[in-house]
Amino acid sequence: DAKTTQPPSMDCAEGRAANLPCNHSTISGNEYVYWYRQIHSQGPQYIIHGLKNNETNEMASLIITEDRKSSTLILPHATLRDTAVYYCIVRGSSNFGNEKLTFGTGTRLTIIP
Amino acid sequence: GAGVSQTPSNKVTEKGKYVELRCDPISGHTALYWYRQSLGQGPEFLIYFQGTGAADDSGLPNDRFFAVRPEGSVSTLKIQRTERGDSAVYLCASSFRQGDGYTFGSGTRLTVV
Repeated sequence: DAKTTQPPSMDCAEGRAANLPCNHSTISGNEYVYWYRQIHSQGPQYIIHGLKNNETNEMASLIITEDRKSSTLILPHATLRDTAVYYCIVRGSSNFGNEKLTFGTGTRLTIIP
Repeated sequence: GAGVSQTPSNKVTEKGKYVELRCDPISGHTALYWYRQSLGQGPEFLIYFQGTGAADDSGLPNDRFFAVRPEGSVSTLKIQRTERGDSAVYLCASSFRQGDGYTFGSGTRLTVV
């Protein structure tokens, strides 16, 4: 799986949009970008994933650049409950049997009241 | 149940002892994963089951670690001759189909003294 690079920490004011960047310059054509987050003392929580098109769900939006070498996770109106470690992961297509997720150290996002 | 259940939530054992950690995935989820997480690190892949069979056990650190899923639902991670370095949070996750986002349990915190 391609390696990802994320800033170790970020702050965001409550109510603002939180934009979390991720670089994955070695991503290959069949690899998806996944985002998970982990709130203290809990297991990781799936947020969103995408291949090349931008994606949106009830939790967040995922913007993937046209060359697919980077992406941004957007939490549109951050709340204190969004304080967590956010992991950006590149994962092979299930058609290639590459099921495991390789977590890095993520971005520790702190929402400031 | 509604989520992935892991038992026990905490386990303290003496060095050299045998332990079993249990994971109850979401009903109907065919894929099951084990990860472990040390303090300050992201989760580290151990093993992946598709149905009853271990499709990828490349993350098991050595032959003291073994996992089973005999009926394709509940899984047990077994650690023989525990060592202090085995102390970590052991996370289980399941997914309905290959490629879906995982649902993680809250983990079992194993402490070897």
